Amino acid sequence: QKEVEQDPGPLSVPEGAIVSLNCTYSNSAFQYFMWYRQYSRKGPELLMYTYSSGNKEDGRFTAQVDKSSKYISLFIRDSQPSDSATYLCAMIPGGAQKLVFGQGTRLTINP
Amino acid sequence: DTAVSQTPKYLVTQMGNDKSIKCEQNLGHDTMYWYKQDSKKFLKIMFSYNNKELIINETVPNRFSPKSPDKAHLNLHINSLELGDSAVYFCASHGRGGHNEQFFGPGTRLTVL
Repeated sequence: QKEVEQDPGPLSVPEGAIVSLNCTYSNSAFQYFMWYRQYSRKGPELLMYTYSSGNKEDGRFTAQVDKSSKYISLFIRDSQPSDSATYLCAMIPGGAQKLVFGQGTRLTINP
Repeated sequence: DTAVSQTPKYLVTQMGNDKSIKCEQNLGHDTMYWYKQDSKKFLKIMFSYNNKELIINETVPNRFSPKSPDKAHLNLHINSLELGDSAVYFCASHGRGGHNEQFFGPGTRLTVL
């Protein structure tokens, strides 16, 4: 069993839809939670970063962490074709700088 | 004005050859990483260096040897290339403090024939 599980998709939705992406994890030591976005043939770039349980909002993006359920989510509101990319959740255990990634979900927003 | 750069971008080579990938960051970061992304997009850490010192080695075959001549550079040398080494290799860097953000390079797509 992988430490971080993420549905690889692919996920295809119409423009304007609300998108929900999710990851579950098994390691209780994870303390920092991130979402990276990766466009085709590019390196991942940090989209959202959270430390504790709860919600964090940045524009159309909301990251949610539930440590008790070991579950994190990323919501995209009013999705745009430019949001089409692979979204990777990533986590870091406390005291370490080792990023552990989920498999990534390939998302397509159709105009 | 690229923050993390890698060369080459593409590398096609025969099984058994030795090849190197170079990485440079101009962010003044102390820590650099190599990641491997397989055909299913799964991204896995291979090595981490902090101030030229190896701090993470994720049970990577010893055919892979990272070298950090200074803290702005981290190169990856691969001996006796195998078909299974075909992947995209990403370099990343991270500075002290902040939000644990790692900045990734554009990747090197390695194809072993």
